[in-house]
Amino acid sequence: GESVGLHLPTLSVQEGDNSIINCAYSNSASDYFIWYKQESGKGPQFIIDIRSNMDKRQGQRVTVLLNKTVKHLSLQIAATQPGDSAVYFCAENDDSNYQLIWGAGTKLIIKP
Amino acid sequence: GAGVSQSPRYKVAKRGQDVALRCDPISGHVSLFWYQQALGQGPEFLTYFQNEAQLDKSGLPSDRFFAERPEGSVSTLKIQRTQQEDSAVYLCASSSRGDGEQYFGPGTRLTVT
Repeated sequence: GESVGLHLPTLSVQEGDNSIINCAYSNSASDYFIWYKQESGKGPQFIIDIRSNMDKRQGQRVTVLLNKTVKHLSLQIAATQPGDSAVYFCAENDDSNYQLIWGAGTKLIIKP
Repeated sequence: GAGVSQSPRYKVAKRGQDVALRCDPISGHVSLFWYQQALGQGPEFLTYFQNEAQLDKSGLPSDRFFAERPEGSVSTLKIQRTQQEDSAVYLCASSSRGDGEQYFGPGTRLTVT
């Protein structure tokens, strides 16, 4: 597989613990935010999204929190599993634009 | 399968060669996107199609890059006279609408030697 993460921020988490991945976004006009997971050698995979009229949204084992005041987005993964190892990207856009603006990515490593 | 597929998965080209990368989107998806992803970075937008119309090609890095989607389904990204800086993973994504969730293919890793 590809060697990603040479310059990526890295988060190491013990298996079973909760993970929190943070993202600062740039455009105050953005009103739609998405978290993607990218495993080595694969394309990004949608995890969860949130619109700006919400500050929290929950999925299966994942929660996204949005703080519009400080333009901050976080992804919480409960009971982290080995299969959660990947690079996580946040992306943003506004309804007037189909283009996604992507964050830098965080590599999540699960320690056994 | 029902997902986005791309071919080839890996391509090695000598500098100066032309390459063609194929994307088969999810059936019925009107929107199709091409991205370029360098190692360790997020995808960078290249171009966007709505059906067969190329509505935005502002991300194409040079006139050596050309994309088409003649029948509003399969798309091809062509790179002429490849350069080493073209080495990257090229991702295709499709969506049922322009601002909706994008579904990504596995990408084509292009290496120019």
